[in-house]
Amino acid sequence: GQQVMQIPQYQHVQEGEDFTTYCNSSTTLSNIQWYKQRPGGHPVFLIQLVKSGEVKKQKRLTFQFGEAKKNSSLHITATQTTDVGTYFCAGPGGSQGNLIFGKGTKLSVKP
Amino acid sequence: ETGVTQSPTHLIKTRGQQVTLRCSSQSGHNTVSWYQQALGQGPQFIFQYYREEENGRGNFPPRFSGLQFPNYSSELNVNALELDDSALYLCASSLRGRGGYTFGSGTRLTVV
Repeated sequence: GQQVMQIPQYQHVQEGEDFTTYCNSSTTLSNIQWYKQRPGGHPVFLIQLVKSGEVKKQKRLTFQFGEAKKNSSLHITATQTTDVGTYFCAGPGGSQGNLIFGKGTKLSVKP
Repeated sequence: ETGVTQSPTHLIKTRGQQVTLRCSSQSGHNTVSWYQQALGQGPQFIFQYYREEENGRGNFPPRFSGLQFPNYSSELNVNALELDDSALYLCASSLRGRGGYTFGSGTRLTVV
């Protein structure tokens, strides 16, 4: 079945360092969404990318959607302790309303 | 605008029992989806409701069922609870056809 894979599973960085997480789908996606889940919290929607090769920025976060619409990345510049959490990518599955989530990348930031 | 609210926040049930979880969707949202999140995993799609009907379902057995009410609130019912049903159950609301789900804080279900 359709799979969404994320790497790395864990990333430990020093505050101020950059961070990147990568997302790969086994199938072409019509769109990809990114969510952040703080420890003990719930997923919070960050962004949706729709177009091939699309790049979107939110302050220190840069999101990219691959040309083939099968991969995506999230890059955080100069991490801060507030960036701590698990970042998930998610793409539409076959069933209506079905978002297939990756396993997430857990980011920890050492002050 | 109000967000998505779920109740209860925590629940402990015995294997074989039945449970009902509740969700009030965000104002203006007409679609509700339920997800199960095991520890250390991404959320897994259970089903989605639109106009009070189930219009999409993930790989979960029939003992997982749901309802959506005219005010767009929703319930998730799980019968014959198993130990593996222990997880965080997340409700997410959205506007049909628009990207991005708003998740509630979830119900942490423990089956003993």
